[in-house]
Amino acid sequence: DTEVTQTPKHLVMGMTNKKSLKCEQHMGHRAMYWYKQKAKKPPELMFVYSYEKLSINESVPSRFSPECPNSSLLNLHLHALQPEDSALYLCASSLDGYQETQYFGPGTRLLVL
Amino acid sequence: AQSVTQLGSHVSVSEGALVLLRCNYSSSVPPYLFWYVQYPNQGLQLLLKYTSAATLVKGINGFEAEFKKSETSFHLTKPSAHMSDAAEYFCAVSERSSASKIIFGSGTRLSIRP
Repeated sequence: DTEVTQTPKHLVMGMTNKKSLKCEQHMGHRAMYWYKQKAKKPPELMFVYSYEKLSINESVPSRFSPECPNSSLLNLHLHALQPEDSALYLCASSLDGYQETQYFGPGTRLLVL
Repeated sequence: AQSVTQLGSHVSVSEGALVLLRCNYSSSVPPYLFWYVQYPNQGLQLLLKYTSAATLVKGINGFEAEFKKSETSFHLTKPSAHMSDAAEYFCAVSERSSASKIIFGSGTRLSIRP
């Protein structure tokens, strides 16, 4: 199984809402990632978890809050987002974060109104 | 600091023609290099990666890329384009000391003419 799953596929939220994005993998990978991708742009790294510990935070605003409850699951909690946060949010995983291929999920397309 | 530059935001070729997507990298240390493909409304899929084992790297779907240190290039090629190759292609680089962080190029959209 080389699949990374993400839910929901689409999400529309207001600026006062609280929502969460979920990512799951069952490949035994110990590194998981959140990326943000705007239209016609490359993915931009947001967070990296390695062995369930946050190892990289690319100066992401606090309205985005990541959580890694266990080695298979990665959440991204959203609160008080801005319209400019509308984007495709991609999750990825890799074996241990070093020299390994990153496997991407299909993404959650987020629209903030 | 590491970076990649993809020459040409849009490349159009005829079905059956050679595909050449250009990528140049900048890295202070020997890099890992990747090509990813993104089909519409999907995530990214790895086509191939260079990790120093061989300079000519073969990937999935008939694609290959050659690492040329003297030219700091890692161009992606496919001898004969297929309609299903139409997608966005990203070149990416990571440093061996922090391979968890990869930097993507701006992307090249490949169109295939019938």
